[in-house]
Amino acid sequence: DTGVSQDPRHKITKRGQNVTFRCDPISEHNRLYWYRQTLGQGPEFLTYFQNEAQLEKSRLLSDRFSAERPKGSFSTLEIQRTEQGDSAMYLCASSLRAGGNTGELFFGEGSRLTVL
Amino acid sequence: GESVGLHLPTLSVQEGDNSIINCAYSNSASDYFIWYKQESGKGPQFIIDIRSNMDKRQGQRVTVLLNKTVKHLSLQIAATQPGDSAVYFCAENGGGGADGLTFGKGTHLIIQP
Repeated sequence: DTGVSQDPRHKITKRGQNVTFRCDPISEHNRLYWYRQTLGQGPEFLTYFQNEAQLEKSRLLSDRFSAERPKGSFSTLEIQRTEQGDSAMYLCASSLRAGGNTGELFFGEGSRLTVL
Repeated sequence: GESVGLHLPTLSVQEGDNSIINCAYSNSASDYFIWYKQESGKGPQFIIDIRSNMDKRQGQRVTVLLNKTVKHLSLQIAATQPGDSAVYFCAENGGGGADGLTFGKGTHLIIQP
């Protein structure tokens, strides 16, 4: 399977714990995005990378959220001191930026977080 | 802020009928639009896209219409099948800015046998 993969698919944690999600994009894609999706809503943009550079992070929900893409390939999204309101599906997407506009995003299956 | 929205949260159609899902957008800078399909427990899946220099684009059983004058987007699905049951999202690129795509809330398409 050469699509976007995310791990873990499901994570249950207790409030106050830290969690980390991993995303492996499609190998030739230089852009990687993180979105959050709550029940009944569309995906909400969090941050994105072009290669290893994080070009937009002002939409991360709080300073408890951070993301990295150290070698321009896989990425991690960490949530520190989780709160019940962090419960959601965290989606990763990748794209191949060529020229001007944002192109099609290819999404992974998501990592579902439940904070007890 | 500006966002993309859909007119109906749920749409129920008979199997074999055509479905039309509507979307209104408000960011006049948007010049690229995508329809995604999301099945339960899965990530969004690309259906069809359209750029602002077009007003219609056809795929296999799907057609997207873009009316820039009223900032309206629609997805037409011909001969709806049970496998079409899903939530459909429209998304726009805000003119290609740094925020990737902005998604609406979605329309849940229900296929009646």
